Amino acid sequence: EDQVTQSPEALRLQEGESSSLNCSYTVSGLRGLFWYRQDPGKGPEFLFTLYSAGEEKEKERLKATLTKKESFLHITAPKPEDSATYLCAVHPLGGSGNTGKLIFGQGTTLQVKP
Amino acid sequence: GAGVSQSPSNKVTEKGKDVELRCDPISGHTALYWYRQRLGQGLEFLIYFQGNSAPDKSGLPSDRFSAERTGESVSTLTIQRTQQEDSAVYLCASSPRDRGMGYTFGSGTRLTVV
Repeated sequence: EDQVTQSPEALRLQEGESSSLNCSYTVSGLRGLFWYRQDPGKGPEFLFTLYSAGEEKEKERLKATLTKKESFLHITAPKPEDSATYLCAVHPLGGSGNTGKLIFGQGTTLQVKP
Repeated sequence: GAGVSQSPSNKVTEKGKDVELRCDPISGHTALYWYRQRLGQGLEFLIYFQGNSAPDKSGLPSDRFSAERTGESVSTLTIQRTQQEDSAVYLCASSPRDRGMGYTFGSGTRLTVV
């Protein structure tokens, strides 16, 4: 069964304290892995797509990396405005037809204190 | 429009009533998705529309749930005989055929069944 697990569930950092969020996945095949940011009361906002092991993408203080079993979202010198829930999702291969179904993890809620 | 629009933003309904949720995707996006997000949980896939292809309904939790889409425009998600366990945020997303750019989500409809 395709599955996505994120850790930790919650993370509290001081401003400037770098850290990483983990996304472990089990799929029969991977079309792509997505990272989203979700603020309270809003829909998820797209951050990155990764397709193959070894790939990295960066945006401001965020860098996403991918291996065959997991992805990391590295946050360098975070600021309070980085506080949000970060969601990881996989788009598995297989199934019938050209489904666009994503499988989401439960998210990591990040709080950055000034 | 500039983004994915969902209405209503909030809906409180009595158990046993039917509700209809609306999603207006980004113009030109051929794919449309509905997800459900229960409090403190990850996003749960419900249904996927792609152009004129048959929709992927594999995530609909029961026959009380149904969805329609007219061409490549508005979609409605209908829940009949609502139950308390239907309380959740219902999120709609759309994407161009190239899903490598990620989905664009609406802000969701918060459904509360009392």
